[in-house]
Amino acid sequence: AQTVTQSQPEMSVQEAETVTLSCTYDTSENNYYLFWYKQPPSRQMILVIRQEAYKQQNATENRFSVNFQKAAKSFSLKISDSQLGDTAMYFCAFMNSNTGKLIFGQGTTLQVKP
Amino acid sequence: EAGVAQSPRYKIIEKRQSVAFWCNPISGHATLYWYQQILGQGPKLLIQFQNNGVVDDSQLPKDRFSAERLKGVDSTLKIQPAKLEDSAVYLCASSFFRGTHDEQFFGPGTRLTVL
Repeated sequence: AQTVTQSQPEMSVQEAETVTLSCTYDTSENNYYLFWYKQPPSRQMILVIRQEAYKQQNATENRFSVNFQKAAKSFSLKISDSQLGDTAMYFCAFMNSNTGKLIFGQGTTLQVKP
Repeated sequence: EAGVAQSPRYKIIEKRQSVAFWCNPISGHATLYWYQQILGQGPKLLIQFQNNGVVDDSQLPKDRFSAERLKGVDSTLKIQPAKLEDSAVYLCASSFFRGTHDEQFFGPGTRLTVL
């Protein structure tokens, strides 16, 4: 069974600085997808970034980028130039390419301080 | 484009009562998901529909939970009877097709409190 672990329950960062959220996962599959979702205090979950396991190049979306280490089963999220609107809970998620089922980690609460 | 709609947004009931949640996915989305998110945890998939058929309900407590998706559009999730441990946010999500690259769009959720 696949598992996703986020070992940082809470983090904080000063506005305009960079922060990295950690995520590790366990799977015996070779084909899968990884995601970072953001859940602001209003609780509507939105997709931040996704990574296909077969791609070696790390995904980037504006200020958000990932460090995907397939052998180590690590998938961290880097937020550059942090903004107050980045304050939210962030979830790392794994998707098996056969089932399309999302498995979420426990989440990391990020607070961006002015 | 309208997002995933859910109602009610909040519900408070006593244990052993029944409750129902409604979800209207994004128009044209064939796949619909119900998740349970207990406070401080990540969402857990309860059931996945492809059109009006069930794809995965392996983590649905079938003795008390039921879900249906009539006509492959709206969906209802029911709990009967509710237990204290059912207190959670119930999230509905939809995607265009059960594809590995398809983004799941989430609704605002229904926060259930069981007293």
